[in-house]
Parts: sequence; structure tokens; C-alpha cells
Amino acid sequence: DIQMTQSPSSLSASVGDRVTITCRASQSISTLLSWYQQKPGKAPNLLIYGASTLQSGVPSRFSGSGSGTDFTLTISSLQPEDFATYYCQQSASSVMYTFGQGTKLEIK
Amino acid sequence: QITLKESGPTLVKPTQTLTLTCTFSGFSLSSSGLAVGWIRQPPGKALEWLAHIYWNDDKYYSSFLKSRLTITKDTSKNQVVLTMTNMDPADTSTYFCAQLTTSASYSYGFWGQGTLVTVSS
Repeated sequence: DIQMTQSPSSLSASVGDRVTITCRASQSISTLLSWYQQKPGKAPNLLIYGASTLQSGVPSRFSGSGSGTDFTLTISSLQPEDFATYYCQQSASSVMYTFGQGTKLEIK
Repeated sequence: QITLKESGPTLVKPTQTLTLTCTFSGFSLSSSGLAVGWIRQPPGKALEWLAHIYWNDDKYYSSFLKSRLTITKDTSKNQVVLTMTNMDPADTSTYFCAQLTTSASYSYGFWGQGTLVTVSS
């Protein structure tokens, strides 16, 4: 099974900061990587798919990059509504999709 | 407008079988390239993928839970059903269903609100 490791597991930042979250796959997944944002008590919301394609309606301050085993999610200028938990998910293995363990982004 | 909604028991006893239904609208699961999946989240923990079923009836299950899971679809009712046998307190989670789109790199673009299932005697 493909394992997904996110770092950091938690992060404190201020409004206006540039933030980067990384996700590493245990084997190559090409660009079959999605990023989700989840707020407390809510369902996850798709931000990026195909490693770098912004989902419709998602603000352009979110961006994704990477291929193979290493991926990043970047928020260029944090807004108050961005404080949430972020998950990556691989869809390269048709047998078993897996999520990362999550990165909790908190206000400094 | 695409919507999904999970339904089922909120409380099950250990060893019982859980049956959850995802009722959706705004798309048909007979359309090529679509699937509906189940993902769960224990309180305070990370998301865990469980299973999904494609428009062509292909089914995929978590390797950790495969022996306990069954996923089926009723295209005429716009429903996907997940059953999980031999429930344990460790299965206490919020269970989400979501639409998967192959054209969006097999991502889950639309989610239900989730339903909390507690396993306790």
C-alpha cells in the first residue's frame, strides 16, 4: 500500500503569511494527488487535484505542485478563513486510496 | 446542483453489522467516469478511505477492511449502500460519502455532511 506522509502535522501562522505544507508518497504516484481543506464539524472540501489544478471556486492564493513522490500545497497570503486542517490524498493505487495524516493550521 | 447525504443508525452494538446509505442527486451513477466512495473519520483523527464503486460496477475496498465491507449501488434510486460487519468500538467515526470524478484525477469533489456512528454496548 502507498503511504502518505504530511509535514508538519501542525503549523502556527499569521494572517498574511505564506505557508507551505508538504506531502510525500512512499512510491511514485505521478500527479494523482489531491488536497482537501477541512474545518471543524464539516466535510472536507477539495482544493486541488492532479497535484496542481485548482478546483473551481477555490481562491487563487492556493496552489499545488509536485510529481512523483513529493508534493506541496502553498497558501500565498493566509486569510482568516484558511485556518483549518489540510489533507493530501493519493489516487494512484486503484486498490487503495490513502490520505495523509493531516496538517492543522492554527492562528499564531 | 450535486448533493449527497448519508443515512443510517447513529448507534450500533459491538459485533453488529452497520448499513449506511448514501442518497445523491444532481448526477447519475450510470454516467461514465463517476464513482461514489465512503470515507470515515474517528473523532479528532484523520480521514480514512474505505471503498468506492464506479459507474460500471467496479468496486474497490480498503485492504485493511476488505473482509468486512460490501459496497453496492442502486442506480434507479440514486443510492450507494455500504455495509460493515462485526462492528467494534474502534469503528466509531463520522462516515462520509463523496462523489469521485475520474476526469479530475480521481478526486472527491462533492461530499455529504457526514453521519456519526457510535459503536457501544
